Amino acid sequence: EAGVTQFPSHSVIEKGQTVTLRCDPISGHDNLYWYRRVMGKEIKFLLHFVKESKQDESGMPNNRFLAERTGGTYSTLKVQPAELEDSGVYFCASSQEGGAITGELFFGEGSRLTVL
Amino acid sequence: GQSLEQPSEVTAVEGAIVQINCTYQTSGFYGLSWYQQHDGGAPTFLSYNALDGLEETGRFSSFLSRSDSYGYLLLQELQMKDSASYFCAVPYYGGSQGNLIFGKGTKLSVKP
Repeated sequence: EAGVTQFPSHSVIEKGQTVTLRCDPISGHDNLYWYRRVMGKEIKFLLHFVKESKQDESGMPNNRFLAERTGGTYSTLKVQPAELEDSGVYFCASSQEGGAITGELFFGEGSRLTVL
Repeated sequence: GQSLEQPSEVTAVEGAIVQINCTYQTSGFYGLSWYQQHDGGAPTFLSYNALDGLEETGRFSSFLSRSDSYGYLLLQELQMKDSASYFCAVPYYGGSQGNLIFGKGTKLSVKP
């Protein structure tokens, strides 16, 4: 069974440009999450989808970030326009229903974003 | 707010036992998870404690004391491949089921 896959693994862009990150969750997992780790800081929650609906987007830093999950399968996270402080590793995770209450999320390897 | 504290670094030798502590401050509590992350890799779930006591899974064990807001991860018979970062995490109380709050991670270095 394939795990959570993310693309690209690394993206280097200039300030003001746009980047779109993609996540393919584990097949059958309705719950999809985005997290971010800025260097030296803890992994922080961004948002949570249940199927195609945003369940919780309380962690999204500002309106330059847009997440979508059309059709309830893969998800994209767009940053537009990117700022220097957006640099970090963006993790996607998925789980079966109630996965986070059992403490178990399945993470991808992350997309490292570098904004110059 | 809700926060978790864990040591930033721990060093141990192959074959030894190491304990990584985690204290948490939360407005409510569901349980405590542990994740392992090798450099450049995906955080990987290790264990989850919802009730007090010790849970054992092979060489790894995890302990929780709800009254002390404290838990630890115990790694026995350390191997070089155990060198990684270890994160404790709790679900955000009152939030969605996906909002995990993570500690800053403990970098474990296993020496020969």
